[in-house]
Amino acid sequence: AQSVAQPEDQVNVAEGNPLTVKCTYSVSGNPYLFWYVQYPNRGLQFLLKYITGDNLVKGSYGFEAEFNKSQTSFHLKKPSALVSDSALYFCAVRDSMDSSYKLIFGSGTRLLVRP
Amino acid sequence: IAGITQAPTSQILAAGRRMTLRCTQDMRHNAMYWYRQDLGLGLRLIHYSNTAGTTGKGEVPDGYSVSRANTDDFPLTLASAVPSQTSVYFCASSDSPGQPNEKLFFGSGTQLSVL
Repeated sequence: AQSVAQPEDQVNVAEGNPLTVKCTYSVSGNPYLFWYVQYPNRGLQFLLKYITGDNLVKGSYGFEAEFNKSQTSFHLKKPSALVSDSALYFCAVRDSMDSSYKLIFGSGTRLLVRP
Repeated sequence: IAGITQAPTSQILAAGRRMTLRCTQDMRHNAMYWYRQDLGLGLRLIHYSNTAGTTGKGEVPDGYSVSRANTDDFPLTLASAVPSQTSVYFCASSDSPGQPNEKLFFGSGTQLSVL
C-alpha cells in the first residue's frame, strides 16, 4: 500500500530565506505526487503536482518541488519565504498500481515564517 | 463563487446522538469525498463517491455512512457519535475521479466535538 511521510512537524524560517518542507513516499507502481496548503480555518488548497516529465515542478505562490526517484522524495521549496507563507502543508501520493486511485496524505508540516 | 459549502461550521454533540454533516458543491463535479483531519495523522479518507448513486469506503469508514442522491450533495452521517469521532471533517470534490492528476477542491471544514 502507498504511504507518505513528512518527517518534520514544524519548520521555522526567517522571511527572505529559502525554505524546504520534506516529503518521502512509498508506492508499488509510479507515484503521482501533490502538495496542498491549508491556511487557518480553511480547507486545503492545491499547490502543485508531479505526474510525469520534468523532475522540477513549479506551482502557485512561487513554490516548487523536486521529484527524486532514487530517494523517493518530493520536497517542497521556495527561494525566498514570506510571512504569508505560514500555513500547514500536506504532501499526498497516489499509486499508479492502485486501481482505486486513492489519494493518501501525509501528517502535515507547519511552516512558520518569522518577520 | 461558492465552490463547496459545509454545514455546520462547528458542533458540540453528546455521545450517542445522531449527526449529519452537510456538504454541497456547485461545480458539478462527479466525485466527492469525506476526510477527517486529526493532529499528527493528517487527512484520512472516510467515504467517497465517484458519481451520483455510488459510494465507497475509504480508510476509516466505521461509524460513518454517506449517500449520494444527486451530483451536488454528499451528506455524512454519524449514527451514534462516540468521542473518538471528535475531529475536523472536510468535504472535497473533483471533476476527474480516478485520473492520475486528479485535483481536489476542499470545503472549509466542520469542527465536531463529541462529549
